[in-house]
Amino acid sequence: QKEVEQNSGPLSVPEGAIASLNCTYSDRGSQSFFWYRQYSGKSPELIMFIYSNGDKEDGRFTAQLNKASQYVSLLIRDSQPSDSATYLCAVNHDMRFGAGTRLTVKP
Amino acid sequence: DAGVIQSPRHEVTEMGQEVTLRCKPISGHNSLFWYRQTMMRGLELLIYFNNNVPIDDSGMPEDRFSAKMPNASFSTLKIQPSEPRDSAVYFCASKEWNTEAFFGQGTRLTVV
Repeated sequence: QKEVEQNSGPLSVPEGAIASLNCTYSDRGSQSFFWYRQYSGKSPELIMFIYSNGDKEDGRFTAQLNKASQYVSLLIRDSQPSDSATYLCAVNHDMRFGAGTRLTVKP
Repeated sequence: DAGVIQSPRHEVTEMGQEVTLRCKPISGHNSLFWYRQTMMRGLELLIYFNNNVPIDDSGMPEDRFSAKMPNASFSTLKIQPSEPRDSAVYFCASKEWNTEAFFGQGTRLTVV
């Protein structure tokens, strides 16, 4: 069974800090990786995707992929209270998700 | 495009009844996914289709669950008979190959 693992948290950071979210996966042949954000009572929505080793930046968000170590991470710089949500990692075309990490940004 | 459309948004049913959830994917998307989300188990992949063909149904919990995709614009997830432990939010999502998936608004199912 292909597995995607995330620390369920909760993770709490102060406003303005960097939040670091991590995801590991078992299928070494995985090619595509997605980070979603889900607010309470809402549907998951895409934040970023990454296919190549290294960093990918989009505004305050940076995705980091290390295929050799089989992990992908999401950094949120200058965290805002509006970033408080559950962050979900998905791997590959079959879109298997990890359990999600609940992030709280405290004012 | 209106996005992925799910119906109904809420469903309350009695134990033992049949429940049918519906999904209309985004036009042009060739993959469709059904998920179940609970606090205890998170977002579980139940089944997914490529080009209307079921590819992996290993997440379907029991024979009481079945899913169909008769054409590219419609899919159903059926639970028969329903049980209280089936109470959850069920999401449908669609995507093109190797792009991100777009989610519907979900169906909140309560079995009493």
